[in-house]
Amino acid sequence: GQQLNQSPQSMFIQEGEDVSMNCTSSSIFNTWLWYKQDPGEGPVLLIALYKAGELTSNGRLTAQFGITRKDSFLNISASIPSDVGIYFCAGQPLDNNNDMRFGAGTRLTVKP
Amino acid sequence: GAVVSQHPSWVICKSGTSVKIECRSLDFQATTMFWYRQFPKQSLMLMATSNEGSKATYEQGVEKDKFLINHASLTLSTLTVTSAHPEDSSFYICSAPGSSGANVLTFGAGSRLTVL
Repeated sequence: GQQLNQSPQSMFIQEGEDVSMNCTSSSIFNTWLWYKQDPGEGPVLLIALYKAGELTSNGRLTAQFGITRKDSFLNISASIPSDVGIYFCAGQPLDNNNDMRFGAGTRLTVKP
Repeated sequence: GAVVSQHPSWVICKSGTSVKIECRSLDFQATTMFWYRQFPKQSLMLMATSNEGSKATYEQGVEKDKFLINHASLTLSTLTVTSAHPEDSSFYICSAPGSSGANVLTFGAGSRLTVL
């Protein structure tokens, strides 16, 4: 499916720092998902969001479904080396429940 | 939780041969499965939607005769790369809507294909 606008493309941070990444779309979405992909593996679901304004946490990860329904962000607090990987946003447009779109990914590198 | 098993995890083949990749939903039924292709440092590109009991739906630019998809049961979809060439070398990943809802995809671990 058509890709979402995800930024940044890559991040190089020091262990312990916080991380923020986001995705935007020109159309309204009814679902936002955040996945993490380790090298040589398939993406693993981190957080799923279903309502505008919804703020959901999963350990050190927090994601929000934007009020406009056209964006979402993912925050990682107190990063650790195992946070390294590629983070993808994904979502379903409101006008097409059969279409799942993906962002280009944010490649995160954490320096010990 | 929903588990999608993909096999093989990696395969090396000679040019001109065909390679089959299996995608199984282990603890749930999947009438629909999705096949993606991922090049190094790039995002997931949807190739086709596999439909149980009917023909697959291919994305624009994906050759149907090159990438054969068969969804023979509610738990198994296969992707066959026919007459493989080096440019077909890639990471292939399948996914299925999990038991938590049609709008949450569970991914397989991926299959890395290298064509010599």
